[in-house]
Amino acid sequence: GAVVSQHPSWVICKSGTSVKIECRSLDFQATTMFWYRQFPKQSLMLMATSNEGSKATYEQGVEKDKFLINHASLTLSTLTVTSAHPEDSSFYICSARDPWFGGLGYTFGSGTRLTVV
Amino acid sequence: ELKVEQNPLFLSMQEGKNYTIYCNYSTTSDRLYWYRQDPGKSLESLFVLLSNGAVKQEGRLMASLDTKARLSTLHITAAVHDLSATYFCAVYETSGSRLTFGEGTQLTVNP
Repeated sequence: GAVVSQHPSWVICKSGTSVKIECRSLDFQATTMFWYRQFPKQSLMLMATSNEGSKATYEQGVEKDKFLINHASLTLSTLTVTSAHPEDSSFYICSARDPWFGGLGYTFGSGTRLTVV
Repeated sequence: ELKVEQNPLFLSMQEGKNYTIYCNYSTTSDRLYWYRQDPGKSLESLFVLLSNGAVKQEGRLMASLDTKARLSTLHITAAVHDLSATYFCAVYETSGSRLTFGEGTQLTVNP
């Protein structure tokens, strides 16, 4: 089946620094990837939709200058949290539409636990 | 705006018992997904329901979709401890080609 690899699995950074999270589709090409944020004991909230070769589409209330998304190839999308603050601490998960189920399935990365201190 | 509601949000049940988790959504959709999440982990795909009346079963879990009622159910049969996890339904939103998730149901199966 489809595999989406996400790195790092966890990261601790100092307030004010930037962190980059990578999401790779290993055995298929993903023209579209999705970035979610999940706070403890809560559901997944879509942050943005990443399209290969074009600008990401951000959900309402998500600061595009703070959460930079780059989807430069069909297998890689990155999320950079700029000038991170403690309130950005969360679990970030990427997802891609995979070619199985007639292209209707979604595969999720393993997630990145970000802690800003 | 699509809203997805799950109930119950918390479910504690004994091994061997049956129970159903409900997922209601507010606007028309013909595609619904069920996922499992273990603590500290990402999402594992359980079922993809693609049409009205769709029913899928895997082991002790069975999912169904009624698009007219905008309702999906996840039925657990003879629960075992290994099923303890959080279960999410997610509805496909045609307008944005994206998924909107329910709040999740935290299931605990006690011996």
